Amino acid sequence: AQSVTQLGSHVSVSEGALVLLRCNYSSSVPPYLFWYVQYPNQGLQLLLKYTTGATLVKGINGFEAEFKKSETSFHLTKPSAHMSDAAEYFCAVSDLGGNAGNMLTFGGGTRLMVKP
Amino acid sequence: KAGVTQTPRYLIKTRGQQVTLSCSPISGHRSVSWYQQTPGQGLQFLFEYFSETQRNKGNFPGRFSGRQFSNSRSEMNVSTLELGDSALYLCASSLPGAGGYTFGSGTRLTVV
Repeated sequence: AQSVTQLGSHVSVSEGALVLLRCNYSSSVPPYLFWYVQYPNQGLQLLLKYTTGATLVKGINGFEAEFKKSETSFHLTKPSAHMSDAAEYFCAVSDLGGNAGNMLTFGGGTRLMVKP
Repeated sequence: KAGVTQTPRYLIKTRGQQVTLSCSPISGHRSVSWYQQTPGQGLQFLFEYFSETQRNKGNFPGRFSGRQFSNSRSEMNVSTLELGDSALYLCASSLPGAGGYTFGSGTRLTVV
């Protein structure tokens, strides 16, 4: 069974500081990995995804993540935080694909707070 | 292009009632999945439909059911509502085999 662990349910950074949100996963097969962001009273928006190929993945709003198989990690980073980045972030894994379908397992989420 | 549309946005029901939620996927997306989000359990997978067939199912009681129509629109139904069913229900659609879903804004169900 696959699982996702997000270290830190709350992370606080100052505006302009580095953002680092941690995600570790377990999966019995090469995974697809995702980061989603959720703003209050909204659904989930895809930030970036890793399926195959280059392990450093760039997403929207200046975010990127690196797939490290040896560490089973997929941490999310952004060089400089902006006030508008304050939201909840979810890491997710899927070990299905193709004709087997889509099913995401989510981590517990990390609420990012950005201080002025 | 239009995103994933979920209706209604908000719903209040009484224990014991049943409810039907609707989801219209992005045009051309044939895979539709449903997730339940609660503060206590987080985001949990309910089921996935593809070409009107349930392809995957999460660990939820039989009170939770769904279906998909030939135009890929999907509905989920919860019968005999319990207080614990209060949650944000999210629908997502994707292309077959694609990595990544597009989520709707959700339906917030409150059971009183």
